[in-house]
Amino acid sequence: TQLLEQSPQFLSIQEGENLTVYCNSSSVFSSLQWYRQEPGEGPVLLVTVVTGGEVKKLKRLTFQFGDARKDSSLHITAAQPGDTGLYLCAGPGANSKLTFGKGITLSVRP
Amino acid sequence: ETGVTQSPTHLIKTRGQQVTLRCSSQSGHNTVSWYQQALGQGPQFIFQYYREEENGRGNFPPRFSGLQFPNYSSELNVNALELDDSALYLCASSLVIGGRSYEQFFGPGTRLTVL
Repeated sequence: TQLLEQSPQFLSIQEGENLTVYCNSSSVFSSLQWYRQEPGEGPVLLVTVVTGGEVKKLKRLTFQFGDARKDSSLHITAAQPGDTGLYLCAGPGANSKLTFGKGITLSVRP
Repeated sequence: ETGVTQSPTHLIKTRGQQVTLRCSSQSGHNTVSWYQQALGQGPQFIFQYYREEENGRGNFPPRFSGLQFPNYSSELNVNALELDDSALYLCASSLVIGGRSYEQFFGPGTRLTVL
């Protein structure tokens, strides 16, 4: 069974601060995805990382895939209240099944 | 382009009852996956439907069943409801061509409460 562990589970920071959160596994994944989920909504895909060591940027968000394709990180620069939400990482399994981590609840205070 | 829609938004049932949740896939998509998201947890894969047949199943008992219709919409049925079935049920649609699966798009979910 492929498991994804995310840390920290909860994070509350002040607007303008930087933060890094993590997604780790003992299994190798062909790719990893990061989603953001807001209350009352379904997850929305932010990025897919495919190549070991790959770095992708989405405005103030920087995603990195570990060299061994077992882990990933998300770094947010100058966090804003609009970044508040549940951040989920997910990896593909058989039959397009997605295995999700438990998520990281981020709260950015104005 | 219409996104993934789910109905109802919220639902309250009692133990032992049966429930049917509905999902309309995004235009152009042919595959629907269902996930259960308990409070404080990430979504867990229930099953996927492709060409009106179940195409992969997670670790859920047979009382969780589904259907996919010719228009690619789908239903999730849960029989003999238990308290632990209380969760947000998410539907995701995607396009599968030649065995390759493209991005899954999620609906807003149905919040099921079992009393």
